[in-house]
Amino acid sequence: EVQLLDSGGGLVQPGGSLRLSCAASGFTFSNYAMSWVRQAPGKGLEWVSGISGNGGRTYYAASVKGRFTLSRDISKSAIYLQMNSLRADDTAVYYCAKDEARSPYGPFDYWGQGTLVTVSS
Amino acid sequence: QSVLTQPPSASGTPGQKVTISCSGSSSNIGSNTVNWYQQLPGTAPKLLIYHNHQRPSGVPDRFSGSKSGTSASLGISGLQSEDEATYYCAAWDDSLNGFVVFGGGTKLTVL
Repeated sequence: EVQLLDSGGGLVQPGGSLRLSCAASGFTFSNYAMSWVRQAPGKGLEWVSGISGNGGRTYYAASVKGRFTLSRDISKSAIYLQMNSLRADDTAVYYCAKDEARSPYGPFDYWGQGTLVTVSS
Repeated sequence: QSVLTQPPSASGTPGQKVTISCSGSSSNIGSNTVNWYQQLPGTAPKLLIYHNHQRPSGVPDRFSGSKSGTSASLGISGLQSEDEATYYCAAWDDSLNGFVVFGGGTKLTVL
C-alpha cells in the first residue's frame, strides 16, 4: 500500500526557514517523480515544486523559485522541501504527492495528509 | 489568478448530469494531457481523471473526462450527494522551465 507521510510544518516568523519532509513507502521510490502542492486557507491548489525520479531535475513555481529547494534521498525514500525567506503568503497546507511516472508532470496518483505551515509574527 | 480557468461553482440535483469546464492555452492544455482531482472538505485531493479521460481503479464510470484544443471538461452523471466536493483541473505547462498549473477549482453542490 502506497503511503506518504508529510511532516515538518509549524509556525515560523516572516523571513524564517522551515524544512518539510515526506516519507514514502509501498512503491519503488526511485521510479517515480514527487511534488509538493500547497493550499492556502480557503483557497485552491497551487503546485510548488517537483523532482524527477532519480533526483536529477527539479522544477519550481515562480512564486518560490530562489527561496525553496527540493531534494530527495533515495536511500531513505524521502523528499525534503527546504523553505527559506518565508513570507506570509507562504502560509498553507503543504501536500506531498507522488507522480505516476519519472517526470513530475502529473498526474499525482497519491497524496500525503498535508502539513500546515503558518508564517506569522 | 489561476492559469487554468474553471467556473467557481456548479450545482445539480441527484441523478442529474453536470459538466465542469476547464480552459487553458497552447502551452498547457493545448500540448499536454489534463488531470482532474476531487477534494472533499477537510481532506487531501484525490486523483479522479488522468490523461484527459482515464479513470483510476475505483473511480466510478459516472465520472468522465474529455479534451478538445485548449479546453477540457469533467462530466459527472447520476449525481449523488457524496459527489459534493471541489474539483480541480491540472496540466503541465511547457513555458519557462515547465511547471504544473491548476485551475481555481469548482465547488459542486448537490441540491
